[in-house]
Amino acid sequence: EVQLLESGGGLVQPGGSQRLSCAASGFTFSDYAMNWVRQAPGMGLEWVSGIGGSGGSTYYADSVKGRFTISRDNSRNTLYLQMNSLRAEDTAVYYCAKGWRRSTWYDPHDVFDIWGQGTTVTVSS
Amino acid sequence: QSVLTQPPSVSAAPGQKVIISCSGSSSNIEYNIVSWYQKLPGTAPKLLIYDNNKRPSGIPDRFSGSKSGTAATLGITGLQTGDEAEYYCGTWDTSLSAVVFGGGTKLTVL
Repeated sequence: EVQLLESGGGLVQPGGSQRLSCAASGFTFSDYAMNWVRQAPGMGLEWVSGIGGSGGSTYYADSVKGRFTISRDNSRNTLYLQMNSLRAEDTAVYYCAKGWRRSTWYDPHDVFDIWGQGTTVTVSS
Repeated sequence: QSVLTQPPSVSAAPGQKVIISCSGSSSNIEYNIVSWYQKLPGTAPKLLIYDNNKRPSGIPDRFSGSKSGTAATLGITGLQTGDEAEYYCGTWDTSLSAVVFGGGTKLTVL
């Protein structure tokens, strides 16, 4: 069974850092792009970042560019999101999501077929 | 303010049909592929439609998608109370080099 399990959420102070992890199982992790998508309280879905299967191509939303870094360790079947300079507006449930199409690079036309249950990040003093 | 525009809410009676619209521009919907996701409260989003109008296995044919120009629509027929959820459209925005979602539409089955 294909599964994604996020971890690393919690309470962090403004300006602080946090690293999220997403452990994948049930599929050949390196064959698929991965993404982070978040949902702030009372708000809609917001795509945060995506990375190709090989890790060589990455994309970011303007709202996090320069502060967040997406990466992956294909030997550990794990996706990461390093979040620095956190702001109150980064408070959200963060989901990792698997790309649908098999690709070592990031396909802009891909969709998200499997999602984790999410991990909550709260940025507050 | 979302790049893609959806109505905040729609409603219809059980058994009826509803259409949810998603409006964009030439930098996103017009030249890229649209997908739709269903999100129930407290659960992860679920892929409903990909490549504008295709359904993943397991998604009933009550759900349909279409696209014309800078707009896309999600249709749901034979509404059931279990369809009450938020629905999001998504696509790539070439100008932003980013995935963009609509603001979401809350469906109420009266």
